Amino acid sequence: SYVLTQPPSVSVAPGETARITCGGNNIGGKSVHWYQQRPGQAPLLVIFYDSDRPSGIPERFSGSNSGNTATLTISRVEAGHEADYYCQVWDRSSDHPVFGGGTKLTVL
Amino acid sequence: QVQLQESGPGLVKPSETLSLICTSSGGSISSSSWTWIRQSPGKGLEWIGHIYNNGTTNYNPSLKGRVSISVDTSKNQISLKVRSVTAADTAVYFCARAAATSLFDSWGQGTLVIVSS
Repeated sequence: SYVLTQPPSVSVAPGETARITCGGNNIGGKSVHWYQQRPGQAPLLVIFYDSDRPSGIPERFSGSNSGNTATLTISRVEAGHEADYYCQVWDRSSDHPVFGGGTKLTVL
Repeated sequence: QVQLQESGPGLVKPSETLSLICTSSGGSISSSSWTWIRQSPGKGLEWIGHIYNNGTTNYNPSLKGRVSISVDTSKNQISLKVRSVTAADTAVYFCARAAATSLFDSWGQGTLVIVSS
């Protein structure tokens, strides 16, 4: 089955740019979606179809996808961005979603 | 805007059946597809299963046939049953709407289910 690999943790200073990667075999050929999950809360869709933002998600959230790596980028990071971030694709061969293991973003 | 709310027992005994309901408000559930996802304490997201708007279901093979998902359009509810539970089924259970099949744009707040005698 398809596997998505994320770094367990990413740390950035306030005001800097956070980049969270999601690796998968030829992931550039798939649509990648990203979710933010704050402690004790449900996941929230922040990027869909690689780089689109749902209504209400600020422009500082952006995404890209090419080759074997998709990336979620958060610019001008602030304390409120501390959360776990998950990437997700739909594996058409098995007809089910696949989630990455999640990345904990820490704002120093 | 769809709002989802999970409900059900917070404690289930080993070997029994876990039964949860997800109630949707803000539109008819018959036009959408729905998914159940769970998260064990301190772990990542695990897909449980999916029901399409045509009633077709698909389940995570790792759950070995213990799962069933159904919808009750008259009540705007999506149900989940997990049979023969063990401690490994202890988790927060989320229901979510599947938009365009492949992504999840609305989530319930989740409900914690503990499997213990």
